[in-house]
Amino acid sequence: KNEVEQSPQNLTAQEGEFITINCSYSVGISALHWLQQHPGGGIVSLFMLSSGKKKHGRLIATINIQEKHSSLHITASHPRDSAVYICAATNFGNEKLTFGTGTRLTIIP
Amino acid sequence: NAGVTQTPKFQVLKTGQSMTLQCAQDMNHEYMSWYRQDPGMGLRLIHYSVGAGITDQGEVPNGYNVSRSTTEDFPLRLLSAAPSQTSVYFCASRAVWGGGNQPQHFGDGTRLSIL
Repeated sequence: KNEVEQSPQNLTAQEGEFITINCSYSVGISALHWLQQHPGGGIVSLFMLSSGKKKHGRLIATINIQEKHSSLHITASHPRDSAVYICAATNFGNEKLTFGTGTRLTIIP
Repeated sequence: NAGVTQTPKFQVLKTGQSMTLQCAQDMNHEYMSWYRQDPGMGLRLIHYSVGAGITDQGEVPNGYNVSRSTTEDFPLRLLSAAPSQTSVYFCASRAVWGGGNQPQHFGDGTRLSIL
């Protein structure tokens, strides 16, 4: 069992829909990262958070430390949001990253 | 400020060949790392470095060597390429101060195929 689990693995939605991607982790962490990877492209850091909630434009990330769960929300989704979204946890102690397998999001116009 | 630069972007090798994947960053980051990304799996750590002259193994180090002679550069060497090393390779860097609570900066990746 991977220490970082994401769901769903694949998500297809219509333009304008509210999107939620979930991430659960089983290790002690010092930070939780959300990353975005476009097809054939590099990886971009969207958020890094250790508590509460962060917002950037239409993207919102939340984390519940007690439940070891984080969510990434996209409001008013757009086809350019189509990408793979990756959750990663910084392991408390050795400061290394453990990655989820990613959620492939497709937004249909 | 170019960030993290990886070269080449694509490479095809024959089994047994050796090559070096280059990684350079211009943010004066102490921490640099190499990951491989395979279908259906999360990124896995190959090797990492917390500063010039210091390197350590990650989760999947076999078949790879690294060195860190300068803060800027962190090359990854495949000693004798094997088909199992076909993958997409990402180099990343971050500042060391603040520990893991620093955003990672990734290169654009190197897509490597071993025939």
